[in-house]
Amino acid sequence: GAVVSQHPSWVICKSGTSVKIECRSLDFQATTMFWYRQFPKQSLMLMATSNEGSKATYEQGVEKDKFLINHASLTLSTLTVTSAHPEDSSFYICSARELTSGRAVTGELFFGEGSRLTVL
Amino acid sequence: AQKITQTQPGMFVQEKEAVTLDCTYDTSDQSYGLFWYKQPSSGEMIFLIYQGSYDEQNATEGRYSLNFQKARKSANLVISASQLGDSAMYFCAMRDSSYKLIFGSGTRLLVRP
Repeated sequence: GAVVSQHPSWVICKSGTSVKIECRSLDFQATTMFWYRQFPKQSLMLMATSNEGSKATYEQGVEKDKFLINHASLTLSTLTVTSAHPEDSSFYICSARELTSGRAVTGELFFGEGSRLTVL
Repeated sequence: AQKITQTQPGMFVQEKEAVTLDCTYDTSDQSYGLFWYKQPSSGEMIFLIYQGSYDEQNATEGRYSLNFQKARKSANLVISASQLGDSAMYFCAMRDSSYKLIFGSGTRLLVRP
C-alpha cells in the first residue's frame, strides 16, 4: 500500500515552454503533498507544500509564479514549470503522507519515482 | 531552524562487513522524527528506518539499525552484512513539527566485492 506515482519519468523541452508533472497517490488519499527538487549529486530541496483545495505554501527562494502547483483532488497534485529555462533542468520528486495507517504518526513520506526535466 | 548534517560524502565498505553512516541534527523542537532513505541510481527514494524523538529504544529494520544518541543529537545508520545492492546514496532526514521532511546532503556508499 501507499503507492505514489509520478508522470512523466523524464521530459525534454525547449527553453520558454511549460512542462506539467503529475503526482498521484494510487491507493490512498493525500491531503498534503510535498514537491522536492534535486540537482545532480545534491540533496533533495523542498520546494513547496501542496494542500488539497488550497494554495500551495512555497519555501523561501522558490518562485511561486514559475513553479505552479495545483492540488485539485485528494489523489492528484501537479507541478507546472512555466517558461522553463536550462537552469530549471533538475530531478523533481513528489511525496505524500498517508494519514490512515500507523505510519501517519511517524510522518513518513511516500515518494514518487521522480521526473527528470531537461530544458534545451 | 532545523538542520541535518552528513559529513561523509562517500564511504567504502567490503561486502559482508558492517558500515556506519553518520548523521547529526539540530532542532529546537521537542517532538521530531528522524528517517533514513536510500536512493539508488534510478532516483527513487526508499524508506529504510525511522526513529521518533521519544523512542527510548534504537530502531531496527532487518539489517538496518539506527544508533540514536539524543543528547549528542546524532542518528547514525548502521548497515550490517553489507551487500552489493546496498551501493547507493543514503540520506538522513528530519521531520519537523509541520511534517516537512528536511534532508541532509547525503552519503554515497560503495560496497566492494
